[in-house]
Amino acid sequence: ETGVTQTPRHLVMGMTNKKSLKCEQHLGHNAMYWYKQSAKKPLELMFVYNFKEQTENNSVPSRFSPECPNSSHLFLHLHTLQPEDSALYLCASSQAGHNEKLFFGSGTQLSVL
Amino acid sequence: KNEVEQSPQNLTAQEGEFITINCSYSVGISALHWLQQHPGGGIVSLFMLSSGKKKHGRLIATINIQEKHSSLHITASHPRDSAVYICAVRSEETSGSRLTFGEGTQLTVNP
Repeated sequence: ETGVTQTPRHLVMGMTNKKSLKCEQHLGHNAMYWYKQSAKKPLELMFVYNFKEQTENNSVPSRFSPECPNSSHLFLHLHTLQPEDSALYLCASSQAGHNEKLFFGSGTQLSVL
Repeated sequence: KNEVEQSPQNLTAQEGEFITINCSYSVGISALHWLQQHPGGGIVSLFMLSSGKKKHGRLIATINIQEKHSSLHITASHPRDSAVYICAVRSEETSGSRLTFGEGTQLTVNP
């Protein structure tokens, strides 16, 4: 148990569906992240939030829409996804600062049909 | 070519063997992380280091800044060590929270 909880663990959706991924951290951290992990590829940073403000968007398509209502919760809203978006989506949190350690959730395995 | 290269990509060992996983990087860094990912996806941070050596239980991580190289060692390996081990670096020139990740090393320890 890392203190970062992601739901759902698995998600299958069609290309016309709208769904949301949820992440919650119980560690009192002030930074939260979304990462994408595709098969046989390194983790890719998608979004970073510090103190609820988005500080990084790594050229992510607009069909992925993050939301951070408070320092403990992070959402990733999905709309009109493509099959190539199928991947493991990982949430992480940290105490923002230089060289901070990341705490990861278990991820949501997403399949887009 | 990825900025972070890990070797080997796959490693199979017998229980009790000493294991080494290597990570080489091409940029100046402020920190290097070793992460462990078990089947099912969850990632655990094992070490964060910027110089020298760190030890935690049967795990040892070393880094040579001049050679831009780090190693993760597992002593007396056990089947429960089977996982993907990922190296990640934070560039000296990177602001914020951007880490560059290696592709991971899949370790299988057989009983």
